[in-house]
Amino acid sequence: RKEVEQDPGPFNVPEGATVAFNCTYSNSASQSFFWYRQDCRKEPKLLMSVYSSGNEDGRFTAQLNRASQYISLLIRDSKLSDSATYLCVVNARDSNYQLIWGAGTKLIIKP
Amino acid sequence: DGGITQSPKYLFRKEGQNVTLSCEQNLNHDAMYWYRQDPGQGLRLIYYSQIVNDFQKGDIAEGYSVSREKKESFPLTVTSAQKNPTAFYLCASRRGISLYNEQFFGPGTRLTVL
Repeated sequence: RKEVEQDPGPFNVPEGATVAFNCTYSNSASQSFFWYRQDCRKEPKLLMSVYSSGNEDGRFTAQLNRASQYISLLIRDSKLSDSATYLCVVNARDSNYQLIWGAGTKLIIKP
Repeated sequence: DGGITQSPKYLFRKEGQNVTLSCEQNLNHDAMYWYRQDPGQGLRLIYYSQIVNDFQKGDIAEGYSVSREKKESFPLTVTSAQKNPTAFYLCASRRGISLYNEQFFGPGTRLTVL
């Protein structure tokens, strides 16, 4: 089992819809979590940090479920510009403070 | 502007050649990282450095070498021992190794072996 797993997609979603996707992690000692966004042929950019039970930033909401070991990302009122690959990242104490990256979920917003 | 720069943006290498990818940051971050990304895959860690003059191997260090002589610089050399070096290489930095510090990335270097 991979340490961080994501559904690769693609998720094809009409503009204006709400979309959610999950990321599962295997290490129960994981302490902090991040969502990054990566556009085609570009570098990843931080979208949200996820602390404690989760947080919200505008149209984006991230939730953490420690019991089931997953984090989720919800995007409301999706825009064409939201089309990208969304990478889940986990930082665990017993990984020498490295960040463990999921392979990403591709999202395509259609007009 | 503070940030991370990588050069060159595109690099072509003949088989058997060593090449060096540059990474510079002016964010005053302690930690720096090199990742490799292949199409449709996640980021894989090559090397990382938490302080000057110290670095550790990541998951796929074979065929690569690094140095950290200055806080702001972390060059990566892709040696001829790396059998499949064609990939997108990303350099990143973090303010420290606290659990809650996020990584910031440079724009990347695309390496192609001819």
